[in-house]
Amino acid sequence: SQTIHQWPATLVQPVGSPLSLECTVEGTSNPNLYWYRQAAGRGLQLLFYSVGIGQISSEVPQNLSASRPQDRQFILSSKKLLLSDSGFYLCAWSEQENYGYTFGSGTRLTVV
Amino acid sequence: GQNIDQPTEMTATEGAIVQINCTYQTSGFNGLFWYQQHAGEAPTFLSYNVLDGLEEKGRFSSFLSRSKGYSYLLLKELQMKDSASYLCAALDSNYQLIWGAGTKLIIKP
Repeated sequence: SQTIHQWPATLVQPVGSPLSLECTVEGTSNPNLYWYRQAAGRGLQLLFYSVGIGQISSEVPQNLSASRPQDRQFILSSKKLLLSDSGFYLCAWSEQENYGYTFGSGTRLTVV
Repeated sequence: GQNIDQPTEMTATEGAIVQINCTYQTSGFNGLFWYQQHAGEAPTFLSYNVLDGLEEKGRFSSFLSRSKGYSYLLLKELQMKDSASYLCAALDSNYQLIWGAGTKLIIKP
């Protein structure tokens, strides 16, 4: 069966520090991968999605970047965090676009 | 523009029935999803509708009317554990998911 792992679960980082969140999927190949951010009480905002290794699409201009170095690995990064980067970050995968998304357990990031 | 509308918050009583509505406006349409999200947790998949009509899954049912750009999620025999946010999301012509802000459902004993 397919599983998705996301870590860390919580993170407190100072402003200006770097960020690296990792997400891996098991039990499937060539998944579509997504990074979302959810601010408190708000909807899900798509940050990046990837349909294959090295293929990254960015939905909104921001302080973040994403990479897919391996088929089942998706990384969200920042060189210098801003206070506004605080939020709940979710990685998700889908087999095809019209299949349900399966989400990782999320990372709660607080920038102080 | 693309838009999903759903109520911000609803309150219902344990054992009762509640209907959460969702209207959508998207560039093309390839289906509508409902997800459940408990506080502090990731969303989990509930249902997917692409054809008009009602899909039933146990205590939960989801309805779609493509001509009206409308869907609802029906929860029967409410339990305290159903207290959560319910997210509506529509798949547009580019197979991008457009998300609503979610409906927070509060269940009272």
